[in-house]
Amino acid sequence: DIQMTQSPSSLSASIGDRVTITCRSSQTVYTYLNWYQQRPGKAPKLLIYAASSLQSGVPSRFSGSGSGTDFTLTISSLQREDFATYYCQQTSNTPLTFGGGTKVEIK
Amino acid sequence: QVVESGGAVVQPEGSLRLSCTLSGITLDGSAMHWVRQAPGKGLEWVSLITSDGAATFYSGSVKGRFTISRDDSSNSLFLQMDHLITEDTAFYYCARDLGYPTEPKPDFWGQGTLVIVSS
Repeated sequence: DIQMTQSPSSLSASIGDRVTITCRSSQTVYTYLNWYQQRPGKAPKLLIYAASSLQSGVPSRFSGSGSGTDFTLTISSLQREDFATYYCQQTSNTPLTFGGGTKVEIK
Repeated sequence: QVVESGGAVVQPEGSLRLSCTLSGITLDGSAMHWVRQAPGKGLEWVSLITSDGAATFYSGSVKGRFTISRDDSSNSLFLQMDHLITEDTAFYYCARDLGYPTEPKPDFWGQGTLVIVSS
C-alpha cells in the first residue's frame, strides 16, 4: 500500500496568512493526488484534484502543486471559513490512501 | 444530493447493509466510493466500484468482509458489511466520482451514516 504522510499535523495561523501544507507519498503517484477540506461535523469537500486542478466552486486562494512523491496545498490568504482539517489522498493505486490530516487552527 | 442510510448499533460478528441514494445527480456513468472516519480520527478509504460495476476494490482492513454493489435503476449504492469488528465503528460516507480512473475526483459526498459495533 502507498503511505501518505502530511506535515505538519496541525498549525496555528492568522487571518490573511499564507499557509502551506505538504504531503509525501511512499512511492510515485504521478499527479494522482487530491486535496480535501473537512470542517467539524461535516463531510469532506474536494478542493484540488490531479495535484493542481481547482475543483469547480472552490475559491482561487487554494492551489495545489507537485508531482511524483511531493505535493503542496497552499492557501494564499487564510480566511475564517478555512479553519478546518485538510487531507491529501493518492488515487494512483488501490487502496486509495489518505494522509493523516492537517488541522488548521486560529492563532 | 447524496444520502447515506442504514447505520446502526450492531454486535461484533454481526452484519449491516448501508445504502447511498443519489437525487438530482445521476449514478449512471459514475464510479462510487465508500470512505469511513472513526470518531475523532482521520479519513480511511474503504471501497470503490467502477462506473460499469465490473470492478470492485477494497482496503485491506475490510477485504473479504465487505461487499460493494450498485443499482443504477434506483440510483443507489450499497455496502454489505459482514463479520463486523469494533474497529469498524465509524461514520461511513459515500462519494460520487465522475473522473475515475483517468482523473479521479470524488466531488459529491453524503453527510455520512454512523455504524457502531459494540456488545
